[in-house]
Amino acid sequence: GAGVSQSPSNKVTEKGKDVELRCDPISGHTALYWYRQRLGQGLEFLIYFQGNSAPDKSGLPSDRFSAERTGGSVSTLTIQRTQQEDSAVYLCASRPPGGSSYNEQFFGPGTRLTVL
Amino acid sequence: AQKVTQAQTEISVVEKEDVTLDCVYETRDTTYYLFWYKQPPSGELVFLIRRNSFDEQNEISGRYSWNFQKSTSSFNFTITASQVVDSAVYFCALSEWYGGSQGNLIFGKGTKLSVKP
Repeated sequence: GAGVSQSPSNKVTEKGKDVELRCDPISGHTALYWYRQRLGQGLEFLIYFQGNSAPDKSGLPSDRFSAERTGGSVSTLTIQRTQQEDSAVYLCASRPPGGSSYNEQFFGPGTRLTVL
Repeated sequence: AQKVTQAQTEISVVEKEDVTLDCVYETRDTTYYLFWYKQPPSGELVFLIRRNSFDEQNEISGRYSWNFQKSTSSFNFTITASQVVDSAVYFCALSEWYGGSQGNLIFGKGTKLSVKP
């Protein structure tokens, strides 16, 4: 079946511009996560959506970052007034509903963001 | 606070050598999950294994094996008879379980494994 998809795969933008990154999770997955991976680093958690619950935004690095998830499916991560330090690969993951048997997160290919 | 430490930044081995990737974690919870992911040069994260905190049984899958020891808070990963295709960055990750749901993954910084022919 189709996996998690993300678009665009690459985005180059100028400092100060806003960008939107999109994530299409696997159909039926209720949980959706955004992570950021800076060059040569591990993944940093940004935000987590679970069904209709309020999202866990505890990982967002600043108020320039926001995300929404429409209809419990597609999610958009928005970065306003981009800075060079925002350059990274942004990864989305989704997870099926259920208990401990279904706790694997499936990752998308990521969006590589470069802020000039 | 939760934390995952992968002390080995880079490891280089020759094909057919065995290699162990170390992972040490910190958590105050009694219920948690540990994971290993592989990130090949293509960039996409590939799930390898998950282990819950109540299951300390070691696991073997082909050339891969995992050693989970709660007493030392470690979840080490061994590749036996390494191959060039094993070259990748390997991430260990921790997830806690609260509110009836899994939380986000907390990743280590990764270990870059290079297997030379």
